[in-house]
Amino acid sequence: DADVTQTPRNRITKTGKRIMLECSQTKGHDRMYWYRQDPGLGLRLIYYSFDVKDINKGEISDGYSVSRQAQAKFSLSLESAIPNQTALYFCATSDPTSGRYEQYFGPGTRLTVT
Amino acid sequence: DQQVKQNSPSLSVQEGRISILNCDYTNSMFDYFLWYKKYPAEGPTFLISISSIKDKNEDGRFTVFLNKSAKHLSLHIVPSQPGDSAVYFCAASATGGSYIPTFGRGTSLIVHP
Repeated sequence: DADVTQTPRNRITKTGKRIMLECSQTKGHDRMYWYRQDPGLGLRLIYYSFDVKDINKGEISDGYSVSRQAQAKFSLSLESAIPNQTALYFCATSDPTSGRYEQYFGPGTRLTVT
Repeated sequence: DQQVKQNSPSLSVQEGRISILNCDYTNSMFDYFLWYKKYPAEGPTFLISISSIKDKNEDGRFTVFLNKSAKHLSLHIVPSQPGDSAVYFCAASATGGSYIPTFGRGTSLIVHP
C-alpha cells in the first residue's frame, strides 16, 4: 500500500464551491506539506505543518486553508474555488530528524475549477 | 524571483547516451540539494541528493555534481534508458533552517529508443 495517499484523485468543481482535498500518510512523519504544480511553474508550497499544533503558510497560501487533524492527516480546503486554482495538488511528508531530507509525495489530485 | 532555476524546459536524448540536466541556484544559504523524478499521473519521487560538503554523489546510473562557487549542480544519467523519460525537478534547502526545499520548474527528459 502507498505510504502517502490523496483523495480524490480527480475532481471537477464549479467556481465558488468549497472543496476539500485530503491526505493521509502511514510513514509516521511529523512534517506534512501541500504543493500545487502548474505547467511550467514547478512545485509551489501552499502550506506546511511540522506537527499537529503547527501550521504555516507557504509562498502561495491565499485562497487556501488547511487542517491537521492528526499526525497522519492533513487536509487542504479551497473555501471558494476559482478557475486559476485549476492545478495538480500534491501532499508530501518528510522526517529530517532521521538524517534524510527528502520528501515523500502522494500521487496527486487533479483539480479543475470551471 | 526564482532561487532555483532549471533553464532547459526539455531535453531529448538517444537511448544509451548521456543525459545531463542542469540546475542553478542563487541563495548562498542552500547547502543540500535533491533531484526528484516525476512520471505522468504520479507524484514526484526522490532520486538522489548531495550535501554541500561534497562535490559528487553517485548512485548507479545517476550522478549529481555540485559546483558551489558557480552555484550550479547537474544530474548525469549514464546510460540513458527509455524508462528515464520523465520530468526531473531540482530542489535546494538550507539545513540550518527549516529544511523546506525550494523547487525548480523542472526539465522534461525524453529518451528515444
